Amino acid sequence: QVQLVESGGASVKPGGSLRLSCAASGFSLSDYYMTWIRQAPGKGLEWVSYSSSSGETTYYADSVKGRFTISRDNAINSLYLQMNSLRADDTAVYYCVRVSRSWGFDYWGQGTLVTVSS
Amino acid sequence: QSALTQPASVSGSPGQSITISCTGTSNDVGGYNLVSWYQQFPGKVPKLLISDVSERPSGVSFRFSGSKSGNTASLTISGLQAADEADYYCSSYVDNGTLVFGGGTKLTVL
Repeated sequence: QVQLVESGGASVKPGGSLRLSCAASGFSLSDYYMTWIRQAPGKGLEWVSYSSSSGETTYYADSVKGRFTISRDNAINSLYLQMNSLRADDTAVYYCVRVSRSWGFDYWGQGTLVTVSS
Repeated sequence: QSALTQPASVSGSPGQSITISCTGTSNDVGGYNLVSWYQQFPGKVPKLLISDVSERPSGVSFRFSGSKSGNTASLTISGLQAADEADYYCSSYVDNGTLVFGGGTKLTVL
């Protein structure tokens, strides 16, 4: 069965950096686009970034462009999100999510909490 | 990247039907049949209910249906049940290659 397991969430000071990882199993990562979606405490869902199946094409929300970098290692079925220059409003649960052929988000990880606070 | 517009809350009685709207522009909802809907219970992970405007993934109840007219997509829940009380989100592909969510709608079953 499809499983996505995030790790790397932590508490960090403003301006700091963090790298999130997502271990995928039950399918071949190289066959799918993958995305990161976040949800601030008590707030709605916000799309953050996605990577094409090869990793050659990436897109970012304006709110994280230039600060976050999505990458993947298909050989080990892993997705990453490098987050730099973190701000308080980056505080959220970050979900690793598989993208279906029709741009639906069909499988979600349990999420990892990132807290940015001084 | 403006969020799609959803009502903050909707309510209905058991057995009734309710509809949640999701309004965007011709650059997103109106331009593509790539609207999806998600259900999220408090403290839980979102679940895909509808993709491609109106397609239900395997295992999703027939009581959930989707449609679109112009720049507005809609999720209809028929035969409302107490167990349907949750937050609902729409999402769409955008013509600049990005993706966008609606602000979410809290469904209360009276």
